[in-house]
Amino acid sequence: DGGITQSPKYLFRKEGQNVTLSCEQNLNHDAMYWYRQDPGQGLRLIYYSQIVNDFQKGDIAEGYSVSREKKESFPLTVTSAQKNPTAFYLCASSNQGERETQYFGPGTRLLVL
Amino acid sequence: DAKTTQPPSMDCAEGRAANLPCNHSTISGNEYVYWYRQIHSQGPQYIIHGLKNNETNEMASLIITEDRKSSTLILPHATLRDTAVYYCIVSSSSGNTGKLIFGQGTTLQVKP
Repeated sequence: DGGITQSPKYLFRKEGQNVTLSCEQNLNHDAMYWYRQDPGQGLRLIYYSQIVNDFQKGDIAEGYSVSREKKESFPLTVTSAQKNPTAFYLCASSNQGERETQYFGPGTRLLVL
Repeated sequence: DAKTTQPPSMDCAEGRAANLPCNHSTISGNEYVYWYRQIHSQGPQYIIHGLKNNETNEMASLIITEDRKSSTLILPHATLRDTAVYYCIVSSSSGNTGKLIFGQGTTLQVKP
């Protein structure tokens, strides 16, 4: 089945630790996105990538980093510089000509110990 | 991107049509109206989008007013599984980023 997978479902981070969230898609989509969702709120864009080896900051990129070495993969690293990382993280992908029609993964819930 | 206004919550009886309104009075000519929904603790799901004509697919219908300042998403026969937060988003395809601005959405509760 085609789709987007995110792992792990739950992730715990200790103070000062970097953690990496995985996002993989087999939809052959060019564009991929990372969003953050806080309780009771809408989604906010962290980073996006329209093509392999290229990515741009979204609205809340501080404290996060990404890479896009393969078309299928767009991992997100939450660094120690992100002081309030507890949130629900969602990855999405879309076709080049239909960027606003995005397909989302199931999400990763990050909690700080 | 234009801002949207949606009621925070709505109820609907199972089997009846759910009509979810959205105001987007500052929408510009090249902006589309998109609808997504998010079931609790899951990723959002694309439902439908349109520019100015009414649209229908297997999930829902989208009615856009002639002046394009408002729209209504219609779920023709709501089921309990349609309970979710519904987001109305306006976005320009010419922006070239795919950035979607999710507001607070409407929480639809379908009741038996």
